[in-house]
Parts: sequence; structure tokens; C-alpha cells
Amino acid sequence: SQQGEEDPQALSIQEGENATMNCSYKTSINNLQWYRQNSGRGLVHLILIRSNEREKHSGRLRVTLDTSKKSSSLLITASRAADTASYFCATDGDGGFKTIFGAGTRLFVKA
Amino acid sequence: DTAVSQTPKYLVTQMGNDKSIKCEQNLGHDTMYWYKQDSKKFLKIMFSYNNKELIINETVPNRFSPKSPDKAHLNLHINSLELGDSAVYFCASSKPGLASHEQYFGPGTRLTVT
Repeated sequence: SQQGEEDPQALSIQEGENATMNCSYKTSINNLQWYRQNSGRGLVHLILIRSNEREKHSGRLRVTLDTSKKSSSLLITASRAADTASYFCATDGDGGFKTIFGAGTRLFVKA
Repeated sequence: DTAVSQTPKYLVTQMGNDKSIKCEQNLGHDTMYWYKQDSKKFLKIMFSYNNKELIINETVPNRFSPKSPDKAHLNLHINSLELGDSAVYFCASSKPGLASHEQYFGPGTRLTVT
């Protein structure tokens, strides 16, 4: 079964609004990553947060991690049309031996 | 400069054929991967190589055979293609340490089996 599961599956917002995506996972992890995939392209790494970190920022991105709830959230502030993409969380499952991706959240930002 | 490249970008072939997808990275990474993304966008790891050695082999039919001639290349050969093999295949690379580092993905190869 999937390690990471994103919620919601799809999200549609207006430009300028904030977008929040959540990820839940099942087993203990060493780190959690978020990736973006534009239509027809490969995945692009956004941010990595380690299990001993609770929050991390990168530009308009803010990631939180709650290991007690086995969940993470990705917040994109002041969204732009160019943020339209699918966003995936990925965890180091199987004892850290491999990266396991969730099914992704499709974000639509309307201009 | 392209970091991780794959060829071809599109591949349309008939059932039963054999095909190969090539992947090259110029990042100096030791670890390379093959992923399969299905029509629902679910991304699943197939293989991982570290320094030309197979590290991960998920439950993939043995019709799929990866080959790593050197650290910069990881090719995927598929025998006797089936309809269910239709998907987008992504190559990726990272520093060693497998899941501890960010992965750099290629643009993908969309395989359509008719």
C-alpha cells in the first residue's frame, strides 16, 4: 500500500490565495520530501524535511511535519497561475531504503 | 545543460515487441532509479542502482531488465510488451544514501502499447 497519501486529491483556487496540501503516511520515517510535477514533465524537488524538524520554509513554500500524527502539510502562499501542477509527498519507506511517493494533489490556480 | 535525459520521449509500439528506454545523467550521482507512473499519476519505484549495482528490484515482471553500463547510464529494456505496460516511465538520480537525498528526474518516456 502507499506510504504517503495526499489530501485533497484536487484543489482549485484563485491567484493570490494560499494553497494547503496534506500528506499522511503509515510507518516511521527519517525524512519527508515534497515534489512538483508540471503537466507532461518530470518531478522537481521542492523541499526536504527531516524527522527531527517541525517546520521548514523555502520562498513561498512552508512545510510542516508532525511525526506523532504521521502527517505533513505543504502551504503555498500567494499562489500564481504558474503554481498549477501536481504535488507529491515522498517518504523514505522500508527502513529508509527507498522513496515512496503518494498519489499527489492536483492544484489548479486560476488567473 | 540537461541533468537527467531520457530517450525516446514518446514510444508507441505493438504488443509483443521488445523496446528499450535510455537514461543518462551528468550530475555525477552514484544512484539511479526507474519509476513507472500510471494513468492516475501514481508513481511507483521499479529499480534502483547504486554505482552500477542493483539495489532495489520491486515486484516487477522479469520482462523488465535494467542495465547500467556505467554510473551515468541506466537503461530499461522491456520484452514482450503488454497493454498494461502503457505508462510514463521516469528515470531519476540522486547522491548515494537512497532515500536521504533529493532525486532529479528526467522528462519521462510515454510508452503506449497497442
